[in-house]
Amino acid sequence: GQQVMQIPQYQHVQEGEDFTTYCNSSTTLSNIQWYKQRPGGHPVFLIQLVKSGEVKKQKRLTFQFGEAKKNSSLHITATQTTDVGTYFCAGRSNDYKLSFGAGTTVTVRA
Amino acid sequence: DSGVTQTPKHLITATGQRVTLRCSPRSGDLSVYWYQQSLDQGLQFLIQYYNGEERAKGNILERFSAQQFPDLHSELNLSSLELGDSALYFCASSVGSGGYTFGSGTRLTVV
Repeated sequence: GQQVMQIPQYQHVQEGEDFTTYCNSSTTLSNIQWYKQRPGGHPVFLIQLVKSGEVKKQKRLTFQFGEAKKNSSLHITATQTTDVGTYFCAGRSNDYKLSFGAGTTVTVRA
Repeated sequence: DSGVTQTPKHLITATGQRVTLRCSPRSGDLSVYWYQQSLDQGLQFLIQYYNGEERAKGNILERFSAQQFPDLHSELNLSSLELGDSALYFCASSVGSGGYTFGSGTRLTVV
């Protein structure tokens, strides 16, 4: 079945630095979604990417969908303490099933 | 408030017992999903309902069952509880193939 792998599992970042988390699927995806879960909170939908090579930005967050629609990345610039949390990607296969990655847990050093 | 309501927020029960978790989806959303999240773990998909019918099943144990009612609220029933069932249980809803809206979860502790 479809698997979505996410790396790294943990990301420790100095405040002000940039980082990227990656998501890879074993199969071609129809779309990919990203979620953020703050400590003690619930996952919150951030964005959905649908087109091959699509790039979307939300302030300091840049989301990219690969040309082959099998991978995606989330890049955060100038990390702030408000960026702390776990970022999940979720890939939707052609049978409409959504598979979540294991998440990247981000901690920030002030 | 995400619009998805889950009750109760916390539940402590003994091994061998049965509990029911309840979820009211966001207004207009026909799909309801149940996920289990253990400590420091990802989101394990349990089951999906669409407009009252089971649509997809994930890694749901036979001791667990769910249903969606005509008013679209859903209940997840967990029986013969074991210590390992302690986790956060999230309900999410969606319309179409867009993003999911998650509830704030029910934290289940089995002692």
